Amino acid sequence: QKEVEQNSGPLSVPEGAIASLNCTYSDRGSQSFFWYRQYSGKSPELIMFIYSNGDKEDGRFTAQLNKASQYVSLLIRDSQPSDSATYLCAVNPSGTYKYIFGTGTRLKVLA
Amino acid sequence: GAGVSQSPSNKVTEKGKDVELRCDPISGHTALYWYRQSLGQGLEFLIYFQGNSAPDKSGLPSDRFSAERTGGSVSTLTIQRTQQEDSAVYLCASSSRGQGSSPLHFGNGTRLTVT
Repeated sequence: QKEVEQNSGPLSVPEGAIASLNCTYSDRGSQSFFWYRQYSGKSPELIMFIYSNGDKEDGRFTAQLNKASQYVSLLIRDSQPSDSATYLCAVNPSGTYKYIFGTGTRLKVLA
Repeated sequence: GAGVSQSPSNKVTEKGKDVELRCDPISGHTALYWYRQSLGQGLEFLIYFQGNSAPDKSGLPSDRFSAERTGGSVSTLTIQRTQQEDSAVYLCASSSRGQGSSPLHFGNGTRLTVT
């Protein structure tokens, strides 16, 4: 089992819809969770981080964390074609210095 | 500086040559990481620095790869006798604490092509 798993996609959603991106992780003691957006040919850009169970909202983005189910998700409301990118989930296992990245989900927002 | 700065942005080299990649982290960030990303692939961890020390070099693919950090700031990743499989984007990232609780901030990367 991979430490951090994401569906590679592509996930296609129409413009204006909600995009839901999911990530599961294997280390139950993980404490910090991060979502990055990576446009083709560019470096990863931090979107959000979440540490506590529940939801955290920032503009059109909502991160959801469920530690019992070892699951973290990213919701993008009112999706725009400019949101089309690969979204990387990263997990910090048990307070170490490590950041374990998933392989990313490619999102396509159709105009 | 305002963000993580990497140079050069692109490097084309012949097989067998040595290359040096530079990273200037965000001012005050104690932790610095090097990753590698091959075309269409995920992020591959190479090495982690806390200050000038490298507690984890486990990701370096071979002894042709080395890295150093001086003054708790600038880091250099050196690849000796480059091979075609070294072609990738090399990403540097820094964080304020390096304990995994603070986010990583990435530079724009160095695209290395070995011909």
